[in-house]
Amino acid sequence: AQSVTQLGSHVSVSEGALVLLRCNYSSSVPPYLFWYVQYPNQGLQLLLKYTTGATLVKGINGFEAEFKKSETSFHLTKPSAHMSDAAEYFCAVSPSGGSNYKLTFGKGTLLTVNP
Amino acid sequence: IAGITQAPTSQILAAGRRMTLRCTQDMRHNAMYWYRQDLGLGLRLIHYSNTAGTTGKGEVPDGYSVSRANTDDFPLTLASAVPSQTSVYFCASRDTPSSTDTQYFGPGTRLTVL
Repeated sequence: AQSVTQLGSHVSVSEGALVLLRCNYSSSVPPYLFWYVQYPNQGLQLLLKYTTGATLVKGINGFEAEFKKSETSFHLTKPSAHMSDAAEYFCAVSPSGGSNYKLTFGKGTLLTVNP
Repeated sequence: IAGITQAPTSQILAAGRRMTLRCTQDMRHNAMYWYRQDLGLGLRLIHYSNTAGTTGKGEVPDGYSVSRANTDDFPLTLASAVPSQTSVYFCASRDTPSSTDTQYFGPGTRLTVL
């Protein structure tokens, strides 16, 4: 079984400030972890993912996330927020390997960027 | 390359009517998925198909059916729509076996059942 908890359904930051979106997961097997972004009235777009190897993962648009197994976390960060970052962000987990692949999403965090 | 297309973009439907949401991908991906997105609930898996000719139930399958006659198409049917099926529906696909394990999403269908 696997699940994802995103802390904070709504995060508001000022332009140029640090963005931190929190994600904790549970998984009975080593996980693959993903962050997706959804802009208004659009589908989901992959931001970054962790499968194996380096635990600090860099994605598009200056975002990065760090897989911390001991904390079962995969928080998303960006040093300096831009107005164009305003969107909803979803953390997701899937079991690594195996044939029974399913992606489980968190409930999402809406990021607002204030000028 | 179009990726994943969904039709219609939006639809208003009377309760009790039958409706099929269409999904087509041109990436030759083996696996396809249907999700519904509701405010505060994130995305929930309705049905999936690991390969043409096979389908499986997701987290919220009741009231929905799917078929996978070929690789490209994965229609979702509501046999008799109810207001609780008002939602935004997303189709997704994934190449398997794949080292990327990334799902690619369509633009969505906004469905309102009155």
